[in-house]
Amino acid sequence: DSGVTQTPKHLITATGQRVTLRCSPRSGDLSVYWYQQSLDQGLQFLIQYYNGEERAKGNILERFSAQQFPDLHSELNLSSLELGDSALYFCASTLQGLAGETQYFGPGTRLLVL
Amino acid sequence: AQKVTQAQTEISVVEKEDVTLDCVYETRDTTYYLFWYKQPPSGELVFLIRRNSFDEQNEISGRYSWNFQKSTSSFNFTITASQVVDSAVYFCALSEARAAGNKLTFGGGTRVLVKP
Repeated sequence: DSGVTQTPKHLITATGQRVTLRCSPRSGDLSVYWYQQSLDQGLQFLIQYYNGEERAKGNILERFSAQQFPDLHSELNLSSLELGDSALYFCASTLQGLAGETQYFGPGTRLLVL
Repeated sequence: AQKVTQAQTEISVVEKEDVTLDCVYETRDTTYYLFWYKQPPSGELVFLIRRNSFDEQNEISGRYSWNFQKSTSSFNFTITASQVVDSAVYFCALSEARAAGNKLTFGGGTRVLVKP
């Protein structure tokens, strides 16, 4: 158990809908990361937050947004969902969000868009 | 731009055989970090090892060992005397010091199937 929690574990929804994925980092960690794992794209970095502020951005679609709250949990919002958004979404956390810190991953949220 | 290549998509071995997973990386940064993660059938990503670019010492942890060679930009992973529980997908990943934040660039993964 990495100490990172993600809810829900599974999510089934329809095209055009909006969903929110939630992540709680390990105790004491200030930085959270979001990754998408899909069959065609592999594991892709989406976005990183440190203490509520965005620190780095990857190839995150405009339909996707994220934020980190004062209690350090983070939410990833996916809107206008398409079939291709079906994937496993991981959250990870580290202490300070600095280069080279080991990222510990949560169990993931499996999203299926029908 | 950073890139990680895991040329082997799938390796199948019989229990007790050794298996080596290749990882080749590309970066323009002189300071960088390499990682291996394991993804068992249950789906979570489990951290195995971290190595920085200034530490070329090979490492052994139980049946696992890693060979880091800067000259060939490789960070290979060997499982000795494989067991069925080693069946998983293994990912190599790279983080650059100069990049904003701490994003990981992952290779495509190597699926290891250990047959009893």
